[in-house]
Amino acid sequence: GEDVEQSLFLSVREGDSSVINCTYTDSSSTYLYWYKQEPGAGLQLLTYIFSNMDMKQDQRLTVLLNKKDKHLSLRIADTQTGDSAIYFCAETPGGYQKVTFGTGTKLQVIP
Amino acid sequence: DTAVSQTPKYLVTQMGNDKSIKCEQNLGHDTMYWYKQDSKKFLKIMFSYNNKELIINETVPNRFSPKSPDKAHLNLHINSLELGDSAVYFCASSLGGTTNEKLFFGSGTQLSVL
Repeated sequence: GEDVEQSLFLSVREGDSSVINCTYTDSSSTYLYWYKQEPGAGLQLLTYIFSNMDMKQDQRLTVLLNKKDKHLSLRIADTQTGDSAIYFCAETPGGYQKVTFGTGTKLQVIP
Repeated sequence: DTAVSQTPKYLVTQMGNDKSIKCEQNLGHDTMYWYKQDSKKFLKIMFSYNNKELIINETVPNRFSPKSPDKAHLNLHINSLELGDSAVYFCASSLGGTTNEKLFFGSGTQLSVL
C-alpha cells in the first residue's frame, strides 16, 4: 500500500521499554521524523533522523533506521505515564515540503 | 506566547453552512500547512503555502479554499459544509526551503457538522 504503516496500539508497563515501529514508503526521503500527539493537542516533534544514519540517540529516545527495508523504529527507555500519547512517524516523499504522516500508534503506559 | 495559534478551538455548525478557521504563526516561518485528522487519527495534508503562494493542493473538494494574506497567516474557508467534513483541522508551519522541514502545529480546530 501507499500509506506509511504503523501498528495501531501498544501497551507497556511503567519502567519498561517501548518500541514503536513504522514502515515508510519512499526511499528518497531525506529525513524521517517522530511526532507525539497528546490528547486534545497538536503534534509535537520528538526527534528526527537523517537518511544516511542507522541510529540516533536522544536521552530516553533511540531511533533506528533500516533503509533497505524502509523500516523506522522509536524506542523509549524507562517509559513513564507521561509518555502515553499517539506517536506518528513521518517522511518527506519526493520533496521537502510535503511531510506525510504514518497511521499513528497509540501508546498506553500502565502504572 | 503561542507559536502557532488557530481559532476557534471548537466549531459546531449545521450542514450547508459556510465557516472559516484562522491560523497565525509568530515563528517567522515561510511555509504554512493545513492538515485534516479524521476520527481514526489519520492525518492527511490538505494545502501548503510558501510565502503566500500555494505549493501543495491535495485532492481536496473545491469547497475548501485556503487564503494567505501574508506569510504569517493561513486561513481555511469551507463552503456548504457536509457531514463528512467533521474532523480536527490542524494548522502547521515550518521554516520552508530546507530538506529538514520540522513542523510546528497548532492545537487544532474540532469541527462538528450536524
